Amino acid sequence: QLQLQESGPGLVKPSETLSLTCTVSGDSISSSNYYWGWIRQPPGKGLEWIGSIYNSGSTYYNPSLESRVTISVDKSKNQFSLKLTSVTAADTAVYYCAPRELGSGSSYWGQGTLVTVSS
Amino acid sequence: EIVVTQSPGTLSLSPGERATLSCRASQSVSNNYLAWYQQKPGQAPRLLIYGASSRATGIPDRFSGSGSGTDFTLTISRLEPEDFAVYYCQQYGRSPWTFGQGTKVEIK
Repeated sequence: QLQLQESGPGLVKPSETLSLTCTVSGDSISSSNYYWGWIRQPPGKGLEWIGSIYNSGSTYYNPSLESRVTISVDKSKNQFSLKLTSVTAADTAVYYCAPRELGSGSSYWGQGTLVTVSS
Repeated sequence: EIVVTQSPGTLSLSPGERATLSCRASQSVSNNYLAWYQQKPGQAPRLLIYGASSRATGIPDRFSGSGSGTDFTLTISRLEPEDFAVYYCQQYGRSPWTFGQGTKVEIK
């Protein structure tokens, strides 16, 4: 059973870079059983898939964010990370790390972390 | 990009009633890779159904999923008080893995 913990700043200034990390326990980040992914939810709104990384190399991004997003893996720390550049107020959201098992949905979710973009 | 549309936006029902939620995709969903999630205020979503009709671990059998291609349904056979929440469907057959906008099931 996976356990996930997001970490990172809760406040980011406009035009700067949002950086979050998800620490994984219960399985190796090198496991090919999961797409390691991020999902966000603006306050009072629905879910938006941001992107995923598979097998430490193949990345899949939401086209609406692709020019600003990077998802990567740190095998030494059993973590995966999200970087979102040039943020605006529209990027204010609860960010979840949520790996998706092959052939299935996301059974495991982090607790979510609210990131507010404001000067 | 596959656009996923859920209906209705809000469903007002009483405990014990049957709930039928709809999810329609703009293109056929590969391998019927369609998931349903439940979300309560302040909580992360919970996976209910994957592969259109397979219940996730620990999900009560009053939750069932059906459908294929572009049309999918989540049925809650008899609503329990804890089932009043927002429900999302997501297709994960083709990237980007898109969500519907959600259906809120509220107490009538």
